Amino acid sequence: DQQVKQNSPSLSVQEGRISILNCDYTNSMFDYFLWYKKYPAEGPTFLISISSIKDKNEDGRFTVFLNKSAKHLSLHIVPSQPGDSAVYFCAASGSGGSNYKLTFGKGTLLTVNP
Amino acid sequence: ETGVTQTPRHLVMGMTNKKSLKCEQHLGHNAMYWYKQSAKKPLELMFVYSLEERVENNSVPSRFSPECPNSSHLFLHLHTLQPEDSALYLCASSQDPQGPITGELFFGEGSRLTVL
Repeated sequence: DQQVKQNSPSLSVQEGRISILNCDYTNSMFDYFLWYKKYPAEGPTFLISISSIKDKNEDGRFTVFLNKSAKHLSLHIVPSQPGDSAVYFCAASGSGGSNYKLTFGKGTLLTVNP
Repeated sequence: ETGVTQTPRHLVMGMTNKKSLKCEQHLGHNAMYWYKQSAKKPLELMFVYSLEERVENNSVPSRFSPECPNSSHLFLHLHTLQPEDSALYLCASSQDPQGPITGELFFGEGSRLTVL
C-alpha cells in the first residue's frame, strides 16, 4: 500500500502561471517532507523540505504547504518557467519508518509551456 | 569531480551474466544508498550503508549483492537477473542520519539496466 501518493501523473501549465503539485500521505508518523526534481537522464535533486512543526516553507519561487490534519502537502511554483519542466517527487520520513528511509511518491511530470 | 558518480550509465545484460554497478561520492558523506526506479512506480529503497556497514536491506532478492568497501564507494553486483529487474538504479549519499532523514539525499544520474 502506497504511503505517499501523487495522484496526478502529469500537469501542464503556461509560463508565468502558478504550478501546484499535490501529495497525500497516509502514515501519521511521518514528520518531515521533501520535494525532489528530476530531469530526464539525471538523478533527482533536492528542491525544498518542510518539517511537521511548520505549515509553510518558502524558497524563492518555490513554496511548500503542509496540512497535517488532511495529511496533504503541496508545492507551489510561481511564476512557472519552462526550465521547471521535470518530474517532481514528494518524499516523507519520520519515526514511522526506519531512520534511513525516505518514502517516495510516483512523481508528477510538470510541463511548462512557453 | 564532484557529487555522486555512477557507472556505467547504461547496461544491457543477459539473464546468465554477472555484472556490477559502481557508485562513487565526492561529498564526504558517510551513508550511501541504492534505489530502484521502475516505470510508473515510486523510488524503492534497496540497501543502505552507514559507515560502511549495511543498516538496511529491504527484502531485496539475493541476485542483487551490495558491497561498500569504503565510505566513498558503493557497488551493486548483479547475478542471474530477470527481465523484470530492468530499471533505473540510483545511488545516493547523505550524512549519516542519527534519526529520521531530515536532510537531503544527493543522487547520482543512475544506471539504466536492461535484462534480456
